[in-house]
Amino acid sequence: DAMVIQNPRYQVTQFGKPVTLSCSQTLNHNVMYWYQQKSSQAPKLLFHYYDKDFNNEADTPDNFQSRRPNTSFCFLDIRSPGLGDAAMYLCATSSDSRGTQYFGPGTRLLVL
Amino acid sequence: AQRVTQPEKLLSVFKGAPVELKCNYSYSGSPELFWYVQYSRQRLQLLLRHISRESIKGFTADLNKGETSFHLKKPFAQEEDSAMYYCALRGGTSGSRLTFGEGTQLTVNP
Repeated sequence: DAMVIQNPRYQVTQFGKPVTLSCSQTLNHNVMYWYQQKSSQAPKLLFHYYDKDFNNEADTPDNFQSRRPNTSFCFLDIRSPGLGDAAMYLCATSSDSRGTQYFGPGTRLLVL
Repeated sequence: AQRVTQPEKLLSVFKGAPVELKCNYSYSGSPELFWYVQYSRQRLQLLLRHISRESIKGFTADLNKGETSFHLKKPFAQEEDSAMYYCALRGGTSGSRLTFGEGTQLTVNP
């Protein structure tokens, strides 16, 4: 099945210790997105890639970075996680900027 | 700025009863509106989009530009409709960005 895969599903890290979340897709979509969803809140877009072009949201903290080494993979790097970064991180893809977004199952990040 | 408001965090109905999940939006241009659904232990997935004007799983939603609303309706709720529902907006000038509401947890009781 073509799909969006996120690993790991659960990630525990320590305050200030860098962490990387992974997303891969078999849909061959051009666009990949990272959303942050805190408890009982709406998913919030952090940034997205259109092919190799990186598009950062204006209010995304510098602590959050992303890499897309190829079409299939996209990574979310949190350089120095704080307690407030504990959340569900959702990856999504779409064929183009106006296409339907397909979501992965999410990675739940816990910061100790 | 674009904003989506779902006034009800929780909604509980009995099986067979009509259900309406409310969504209001704020956007100055011509938006695209969507409803996404997340069933228990499943990923977020698109339920319907206003431009399709279709009924999915018995759900419909009409974009009312005068009231800036996009309420989701189903005449007869089923237990399998129990899920988290998110309304989302994509603005014409915001590229691909989706702005989500905070969601409504629908419970359909037997």
